[in-house]
Amino acid sequence: SQELEQSPQSLIVQEGKNLTINCTSSKTLYGLYWYKQKYGEGLIFLMMLQKGGEEKSHEKITAKLDEKKQQSSLHITASQPSHAGIYLCGAGPRTNAGKSTFGDGTTLTVKP
Amino acid sequence: EAGVTQFPSHSVIEKGQTVTLRCDPISGHDNLYWYRRVMGKEIKFLLHFVKESKQDESGMPNNRFLAERTGGTYSTLKVQPAELEDSGVYFCASSPFQASGANVLTFGAGSRLTVL
Repeated sequence: SQELEQSPQSLIVQEGKNLTINCTSSKTLYGLYWYKQKYGEGLIFLMMLQKGGEEKSHEKITAKLDEKKQQSSLHITASQPSHAGIYLCGAGPRTNAGKSTFGDGTTLTVKP
Repeated sequence: EAGVTQFPSHSVIEKGQTVTLRCDPISGHDNLYWYRRVMGKEIKFLLHFVKESKQDESGMPNNRFLAERTGGTYSTLKVQPAELEDSGVYFCASSPFQASGANVLTFGAGSRLTVL
């Protein structure tokens, strides 16, 4: 099965600072998903990347999938307290992305 | 539009007892998935329904776990008898049918199960 490793495990940043979270896969990624989870809530879909070199942005969050399709990064610009939470990457087989493997998650704390 | 609803949000039971978790997916979503996160580990896939049919149940830990999806609507996950290692958070997710397989999942808030 595919394994996903996230780094760092946790991150504390001052409000306004930029940060990056990485997700490395043991196999080629056919679909890489980024989610955010707040305590006591479900995972909220952020972005999906499928093509090598692909980059997507939503508000101040940008995600990239490297050319070799085995690593993705999530970058937050000018972080805000609302960005705090657990960020998880997930990946599934080409034919069924729902049968996903997930990373352990990165806990982000943003200090005002 | 209502999201994915899970019930109960938290259940505390004793070893050997039975618990049934319920998931109401978004109306019209053919795909329904169950996942589990045990303490200190990553979220793991349990099984996948397409409408009322089990498409893939390769992630189910053992035969103490039984999942059903009556009429292709809501789904239940029953654990009988529960063991200590079953403790964790059980997530449900649903998605509409996509021929490409690239499904964007909508997750429920999860059901936390504590087995004492």
